[in-house]
Amino acid sequence: TQLLEQSPQFLSIQEGENLTVYCNSSSVFSSLQWYRQEPGEGPVLLVTVVTGGEVKKLKRLTFQFGDARKDSSLHITAAQPGDTGLYLCAGSTSGTYKYIFGTGTRLKVLA
Amino acid sequence: EAQVTQNPRYLITVTGKKLTVTCSQNMNHEYMSWYRQDPGLGLRQIYYSMNVEVTDKGDVPEGYKVSRKEKRNFPLILESPSPNQTSLYFCASSLLAFKGETQYFGPGTRLLVL
Repeated sequence: TQLLEQSPQFLSIQEGENLTVYCNSSSVFSSLQWYRQEPGEGPVLLVTVVTGGEVKKLKRLTFQFGDARKDSSLHITAAQPGDTGLYLCAGSTSGTYKYIFGTGTRLKVLA
Repeated sequence: EAQVTQNPRYLITVTGKKLTVTCSQNMNHEYMSWYRQDPGLGLRQIYYSMNVEVTDKGDVPEGYKVSRKEKRNFPLILESPSPNQTSLYFCASSLLAFKGETQYFGPGTRLLVL
């Protein structure tokens, strides 16, 4: 079974700090997605990256896809309490339409 | 309103009593999928369907069945539930089966098997 490993698992930071979440695999992914999940709800898509080396920005969030398409990162600048949630990376590898999700990073931003 | 609906939202049952969790989407999506979410394990795909009458196994299909007789519905069937199937279940759909398509998730079904 292919794995997507996320780190860190838990992160508690003060408002205004920066943070980076990592998503790593030994497999090559044709695309990779980042979702955010609030308690009691389903995940909601933040971004999709498809090209090795691609960088996408969504306000204070910056997403990067590794050159070899085996890893990705999510960087949040000046975190705010509204960023609190579970962040999940997900993707599928070539030749399959199965989706694999990472183990998740639970972020708490303190005011 | 475009959405994925699941029923029931909460279910307590006993070992061996067959149950069905329904999933319906009103967005004319081709791809539908079931996941279970367990602490420390993230979301794991149970089954997916690329279109009507086309289903395939995800990573954890044992103990589950699905069917896709209509485009909008994708029920998850537990023929003989066991305690290790206690979990939070999510149904999701996307417009096409192409990789990178946005998946829209339902609100989840919390299942407890005694």
